[in-house]
Amino acid sequence: NAGVTQTPKFRVLKTGQSMTLLCAQDMNHEYMYWYRQDPGMGLRLIHYSVGEGTTAKGEVPDGYNVSRLKKQNFLLGLESAAPSQTSVYFCASSYYTTGPRGQYFGPGTRLTVL
Amino acid sequence: GENVEQHPSTLSVQEGDSAVIKCTYSDSASNYFPWYKQELGKRPQLIIDIRSNVGEKKDQRIAVTLNKTAKHFSLHITETQPEDSAVYFCAASNTGNQFYFGTGTSLTVIP
Repeated sequence: NAGVTQTPKFRVLKTGQSMTLLCAQDMNHEYMYWYRQDPGMGLRLIHYSVGEGTTAKGEVPDGYNVSRLKKQNFLLGLESAAPSQTSVYFCASSYYTTGPRGQYFGPGTRLTVL
Repeated sequence: GENVEQHPSTLSVQEGDSAVIKCTYSDSASNYFPWYKQELGKRPQLIIDIRSNVGEKKDQRIAVTLNKTAKHFSLHITETQPEDSAVYFCAASNTGNQFYFGTGTSLTVIP
């Protein structure tokens, strides 16, 4: 099993450009998440999904959109990148059975917006 | 929403000593508390978790305790080794839809 994978690993954008980050998991997990990690601020939830075709906002959703057209994939889009979106982005997946379960994280995408 | 606070932000211990990291949470509905270890440049990895119906859980040199009344939980690492050096994050969740993370503790184990 590959677990959770993310593409790309690194990306540099200019202000105003758009891009899509792809997350894929092969564990048949229902729940998927997108986080951003900034120094000293831990992991902050951007958007999450509790199943195919569903998405919901997390703590810091502004400037991002997501889609979950297939159970195994969760896409994060930046329509018009800003320098404040420079960060490391982690995707995660999880499942629920008699209560929440710990998350499996992808390797991360380091994004720089100039 | 939930607010998770984590202390200390940095911690240095001698190899073989114990390390303790503490977290507090605000939402009494939170019932699941995982801990993650993140090595430099790597992804966070789940190391141990505890549910609200349990007061303590141990896994070899790692243990977690939970005090629901006081709304705090702690990670204990005994007999620390250099490979324990990493950033540790606590988190809290109610439904599994959202996890709220602490800001992390950078642990350095000095050989």
